[in-house]
Amino acid sequence: GAVVSQHPSRVICKSGTSVKIECRSLDFQATTMFWYRQFPKQSLMLMATSNEGSKATYEQGVEKDKFLINHASLTLSTLTVTSAHPEDSSFYICSARDIQTLNQPQHFGDGTRLSIL
Amino acid sequence: EDKVVQSPLSLVVHEGDTVTLNCSYEVTNFRSLLWYKQEKKAPTFLFMLTSSGIEKKSGRLSSILDKKELFSILNITATQTGDSAIYLCAVATDKLIFGTGTRLQVFP
Repeated sequence: GAVVSQHPSRVICKSGTSVKIECRSLDFQATTMFWYRQFPKQSLMLMATSNEGSKATYEQGVEKDKFLINHASLTLSTLTVTSAHPEDSSFYICSARDIQTLNQPQHFGDGTRLSIL
Repeated sequence: EDKVVQSPLSLVVHEGDTVTLNCSYEVTNFRSLLWYKQEKKAPTFLFMLTSSGIEKKSGRLSSILDKKELFSILNITATQTGDSAIYLCAVATDKLIFGTGTRLQVFP
């Protein structure tokens, strides 16, 4: 079945560091990828919708300058958490939608657990 | 504003019990309703529902959608400890809107 690869799975770094997370669709093309954030014991919150070749659409309350999204190809989207601080520590998950099956379930990556010290 | 609400938030049962998880929604441009199971990593897909009244079944799990009442349920019969997880309901519009989740704990 369709696979989404997310990398890295775990990041621990110092405050002020910028962290890049990659999301790749391995065996399908995805014009749209989604980035979610999940706090402990809470549900997934959509942060932004990443569109190939155009600017990402951010949800209300999400700082676009803080969370930079780039979707340069049909198989890769990146999320960069700039100048990360402890409050940015969270579980970040991406998902991708197959261009051929827009009404089918999205495929999720395994997530990135980000810890800022 | 689009909204998806799940209940209960948390459920603790013994092995062998049957549980019903609820999901209600208010969205514009409804396409489908999906159920996911999340353990330690990302959610894994369970069901996608688009039509009212048609039950989807997979082993001990089943789900049904009521588009008139804007409601779906997920049933798990003869629960096992391996069913312990967070169950997420999501509604697809032009994006996927997740509910609050139900944390299920099954004890032996």
